[in-house]
Amino acid sequence: NAGVMQNPRHLVRRRGQEARLRCSPMKGHSHVYWYRQLPEEGLKFMVYLQKENIIDESGMPKERFSAEFPKEGPSILRIQQVVRGDSAAYFCASSPIAGEKLFFGSGTQLSVL
Amino acid sequence: AQTVTQSQPEMSVQEAETVTLSCTYDTSESDYYLFWYKQPPSRQMILVIRQEAYKQQNATENRFSVNFQKAAKSFSLKISDSQLGDAAMYFCAYRGPGSGNTPLVFGKGTRLSVIA
Repeated sequence: NAGVMQNPRHLVRRRGQEARLRCSPMKGHSHVYWYRQLPEEGLKFMVYLQKENIIDESGMPKERFSAEFPKEGPSILRIQQVVRGDSAAYFCASSPIAGEKLFFGSGTQLSVL
Repeated sequence: AQTVTQSQPEMSVQEAETVTLSCTYDTSESDYYLFWYKQPPSRQMILVIRQEAYKQQNATENRFSVNFQKAAKSFSLKISDSQLGDAAMYFCAYRGPGSGNTPLVFGKGTRLSVIA
């Protein structure tokens, strides 16, 4: 059973471009969480999704950021018109049941030039 | 809002020795969960140990154990017989009661170095 898969591992974008980060949860997991880690900081919650539904997006910036978890395919975190302050590591985690142990991916390091 | 504080940005320990990482948290809840995660250079977040607040007994996982002091809102991690592979960032995390839509709240981490 493969772990949580995130790609790409590294993503470089210029200011104003779009960034798409992908997360494939572990097999059988229908709960996905996205976290952001700034340098020398802990992880900060962004959004919690179940298949086709956003359950909690209280940690998402109000503009430019969106997330989805379609019925088929990976969960996508989309950042439009990236700025330098978006540079961070973005982690995805999944669980089989709400509130159960989270399994984390290795993250996507986004660098905005 | 719940907060998690790790007051030691960096710690070091000699191989085979014991080290304790500190964590305090703030919450008004009586039922919650506490975690320690390890983040090696590979960046993968690995769950080290988990504690349910309603359990008085301290959790242990092999060389890792916690000292959970609920009244003091303290949750320290003890690593015994430290190994070179224990070198990593360690994050303390809190999750409140309820279903899965209560997100983890992380501290800023402690960087542990193991000296051969």
